[in-house]
Amino acid sequence: DAGVIQSPRHEVTEMGQEVTLRCKPISGHNSLFWYRQTMMRGLELLIYFNNNVPIDDSGMPEDRFSAKMPNASFSTLKIQPSEPRDSAVYFCASSRTHGIYNEQFFGPGTRLTVL
Amino acid sequence: GENVEQHPSTLSVQEGDSAVIKCTYSDSASNYFPWYKQELGKGPQLIIDIRSNVGEKKDQRIAVTLNKTAKHFSLHITETQPEDSAVYFCAASGGANSKLTFGKGITLSVRP
Repeated sequence: DAGVIQSPRHEVTEMGQEVTLRCKPISGHNSLFWYRQTMMRGLELLIYFNNNVPIDDSGMPEDRFSAKMPNASFSTLKIQPSEPRDSAVYFCASSRTHGIYNEQFFGPGTRLTVL
Repeated sequence: GENVEQHPSTLSVQEGDSAVIKCTYSDSASNYFPWYKQELGKGPQLIIDIRSNVGEKKDQRIAVTLNKTAKHFSLHITETQPEDSAVYFCAASGGANSKLTFGKGITLSVRP
């Protein structure tokens, strides 16, 4: 299995620009998670989906952030407009089913730099 | 909500020695405690987990202990090797959903 695939791996953009991060979960996994990692705040859950439906988006920092999962094999995290404080590593993870005992498999992350 | 704390933020040990990483959590309803290892440039990877009905779990050189009364759990690595050098995250979860709350991570360095 290829694991969780994220693109791009690195993104450098200017403040005010729209940024779209992409994720392909492991085939057969029904839950998908978006995390943000920074030195100050550690690893924060932004949003997670089960069967393509958003279950908990309480971690989404503000309206500039949005996430979609149009089908079981693809999800996007969009920031519009981007700000320098959005600079972080963004991880996508997937798990086989919904429930607390299911291992989450993380992708390699997208390092976002907003100038 | 849940709050998970890890201390210290960095730990350095000599190769062959043991390392212990401690975490505390705040929500007494939490009942699942996984540990993730993150190597440089990669995403976190699950290395061991424990459920609240168990006090200790071992897997080769690593073990996790849980004290629900005190609301803390620890990762123990014996016979440390240079490849154990990484960032280690503890997490906690409870209830009917998959939401994990992570600690901020600890950087473990194993000196050859």
